[in-house]
Order: sequence, then C-alpha cells, then structure tokens
Amino acid sequence: EVQLVESGGGLVQPGGSLRLSCAASGFTLNSYVMSWVRQAPGKGLEWVANIKQDGSEKYYVDSVKGRFTISRDNAKNTLYLQMNSLRAEDTAVYYCARDLGGSYCYWGQGILVTVSS
Amino acid sequence: QSVLTQPPSASETPGQRVTISCSGSSSNIGSYTVKWYQQLPGTAPKLLIYNSNQRPSGVPDRFSGSKSGTSASLAISGLQSEDEADYYCAAWDDSLNGYVFGTGTEVTVV
Repeated sequence: EVQLVESGGGLVQPGGSLRLSCAASGFTLNSYVMSWVRQAPGKGLEWVANIKQDGSEKYYVDSVKGRFTISRDNAKNTLYLQMNSLRAEDTAVYYCARDLGGSYCYWGQGILVTVSS
Repeated sequence: QSVLTQPPSASETPGQRVTISCSGSSSNIGSYTVKWYQQLPGTAPKLLIYNSNQRPSGVPDRFSGSKSGTSASLAISGLQSEDEADYYCAAWDDSLNGYVFGTGTEVTVV
C-alpha cells in the first residue's frame, strides 16, 4: 500500500526555519517525481515545488524561490522541504504528493505549519 | 492569484448534473492536459480526472472531464450528497514553469 507521511511541522516565528519530511512507503521513491503542495487556512491549493527522480531538476513557485529548498534521499525513501525566512503568508497545511505525468495520485495526510510571533 | 479561473460555487439537487468550468490560457490548458481533484472537508485532495478526460481506477463514471482550447470542464451527473466538496482543476504552466491549480469550486447538493 502506498503511503506518504509528513512530519516536521509546527509553530515558528517569522524569519525562522523548519524542515518538513515526507516518508514514503509501498513504492520505490526514485521512480517518481515528487511535489509539495500547500493550502492556507480556508484557501485553495497552491503548488510549491517539485523534484525530478534523481534530484537533478527542481522547480518552485515564485513566492518561495530563494527561501525554500526541495530535496530527496532516495536511499531513505524520504522527501524534504527546507523552509527558511518564513513569513506569515507561508502558514498552511503542507502536503507531499507523488507525481505521475503531472497527476497527483497519492497524497500525504498533510502537516500544519504556522508562522506567527 | 491563480491563473486558472473557476466559479466559486455551484449547486444542484440530488440526481441532477452539475458542470464546473476552468478557464486558462495557451501556456497552461492550451498546451497541457488538465487534472481535476476533489477535496472533502478536512481531507487531502483526491485525483478525479487526469489527461483531461481519463478517470483513475475507482472513480465513478458519474465524473467526466473535457477540454477545448484554453478551457476545461468537469461534469458530475447523478449528483449525490457525498459529492459535496471542493473541486480544483490543475495543469502545468509554461510561462510560470510550474504547476497551477484553479481557484476552486465548492459544490453543494441542495
């Protein structure tokens, strides 16, 4: 059974950092593009970043470029999102998702990140 | 602000058909296939349609997708109470070099 489990969320002050992890099981991580998608409270879905199977290509939404870094450790079957210089507008539930041809067939349960003083 | 525009809400009575539109541009819907996601309250999104009109295994055939030019639509026929959810379209965007979601449509079964 395919499972994606996010961890690492929580409350952080503006300007602070957090690293999210997404543990994958039930499939081989290195076969898939992986993505992070977020949803601010009461708002719609927003794609954040994705990373190719071998980590050679990464893409980001403009609002997080230079602050967030997506990475993966295929040996550990884990996807990461390093978030620096966090802002109030980064407050959201963050989902990791498995990408197949641009379709997200599998999603994690989501993890809440709250940026507030 | 999303580059894919959807109506904020849609409603219909049980058993009827509801259609949700998704308007984009040549850099997204005009060039790439469209996906549709259903999000029930408090849960992660679920893929309903891929490649603009294909259903993953397990998705009822009451859900159908279509695309024409720079617009797409999702139709739900035989509307049921469990279809009450938020629905999002999505596509890759060449200009943004990223994936974009629609603004979302809340479907209510009245």
